[in-house]
Amino acid sequence: ETGVTQTPRHLVMGMTNKKSLKCEQHLGHNAMYWYKQSAKKPLELMFVYNFKEQTENNSVPSRFSPECPNSSHLFLHLHTLQPEDSALYLCASSQSLDYTDTQYFGPGTRLTVL
Amino acid sequence: SQQGEEDPQALSIQEGENATMNCSYKTSINNLQWYRQNSGRGLVHLILIRSNEREKHSGRLRVTLDTSKKSSSLLITASRAADTASYFCATDEGNFNKFYFGSGTKLNVKP
Repeated sequence: ETGVTQTPRHLVMGMTNKKSLKCEQHLGHNAMYWYKQSAKKPLELMFVYNFKEQTENNSVPSRFSPECPNSSHLFLHLHTLQPEDSALYLCASSQSLDYTDTQYFGPGTRLTVL
Repeated sequence: SQQGEEDPQALSIQEGENATMNCSYKTSINNLQWYRQNSGRGLVHLILIRSNEREKHSGRLRVTLDTSKKSSSLLITASRAADTASYFCATDEGNFNKFYFGSGTKLNVKP
């Protein structure tokens, strides 16, 4: 489980705050992902990066802004969030974008928006 | 778009019993994967089955795939309390670049 780390593990923020989630993978992978997991809903793919380049934005509102400075690090910048954005945010990585590559997940950041 | 749908939504069994979870999907796929998630944690990959495979085993896990019915099942034999978790299937909708998870089956194994 230490292959993909996420910080912080828990975050409470107000709707006017700006915060960032951080993900780091120590597996030498080239692809990284952000997912949102809300209660009783399917896991939602938000963003995909491959070799630092964004390849997928799954119609995510602009109040979520991803950043991938290198293949090992992925950030999710949060600004002016809504209470319905409260969820578990999961980061994952894989060797490539080939679907046969296993995705390795971090433990997630539990976000609460007040 | 949501692809995999797990059934049942929740399952409660006694330790030692077998647990069967099903996944149905809508479009053609290249592969289907099963993942496990302990409460509030990240997902852990269990097994991948390709569209040209019908059955696959890994330890106490057995996965079947029926592409004609667009369904898959995950069987956990001789369940243990430590198997308590949510189980998700993920399908690719024929797209190699991304895949979609269902809402999961919440399995509770009582000691």
